[in-house]
Amino acid sequence: AQSVAQPEDQVNVAEGNPLTVKCTYSVSGNPYLFWYVQYPNRGLQFLLKYITGDNLVKGSYGFEAEFNKSQTSFHLKKPSALVSDSALYFCAVSLWPGNTGKLIFGQGTTLQVKP
Amino acid sequence: DADVTQTPRNRITKTGKRIMLECSQTKGHDRMYWYRQDPGLGLRLIYYSFDVKDINKGEISDGYSVSRQAQAKFSLSLESAIPNQTALYFCATSDMGDEQYFGPGTRLTVT
Repeated sequence: AQSVAQPEDQVNVAEGNPLTVKCTYSVSGNPYLFWYVQYPNRGLQFLLKYITGDNLVKGSYGFEAEFNKSQTSFHLKKPSALVSDSALYFCAVSLWPGNTGKLIFGQGTTLQVKP
Repeated sequence: DADVTQTPRNRITKTGKRIMLECSQTKGHDRMYWYRQDPGLGLRLIYYSFDVKDINKGEISDGYSVSRQAQAKFSLSLESAIPNQTALYFCATSDMGDEQYFGPGTRLTVT
């Protein structure tokens, strides 16, 4: 069965430091991988995606993620964290070929950036 | 978020009541989805629709039904609400298998 794991419920980082939010996946085909962010009382917002090609993907708000096929990981990174980055982050996967657009989500990681 | 709207935004209802959550989108997408979010569980897919005539069950469809009234409208019904359906419900849309766009959510409480 396909699954996504975010091993950390919460990540704490000081403003200005680099941040990493971890994601690993288990699928039987070629994955489409996504990161979404959820601010309080808001819906999910798309950050970035990996479909194919370059393993390093750049997205919104200075975030990037690295696809590692051998480690089945897709960690979210940012070189310098901002207090405004504090939010709930979700990793998600869907499958290609036969992509139905159905997403399988991880359980979410709360990012807390302290001044 | 303005491209995908959900009504109501908050709702408190009693066990056994029927309730409908509505979703509208202006993105022109064919695909629409309903998810529920529970703390520590992420989002789980309830139903999805690839066009007006195509509706499919997701992983947790029991106790729910949907209606795709038009390309832009997709509603979720709880036929007889129960307390464990208390959750945050999201509607989303997408173009083919691309990224999904989410509405602001409906916070449903069943007492």
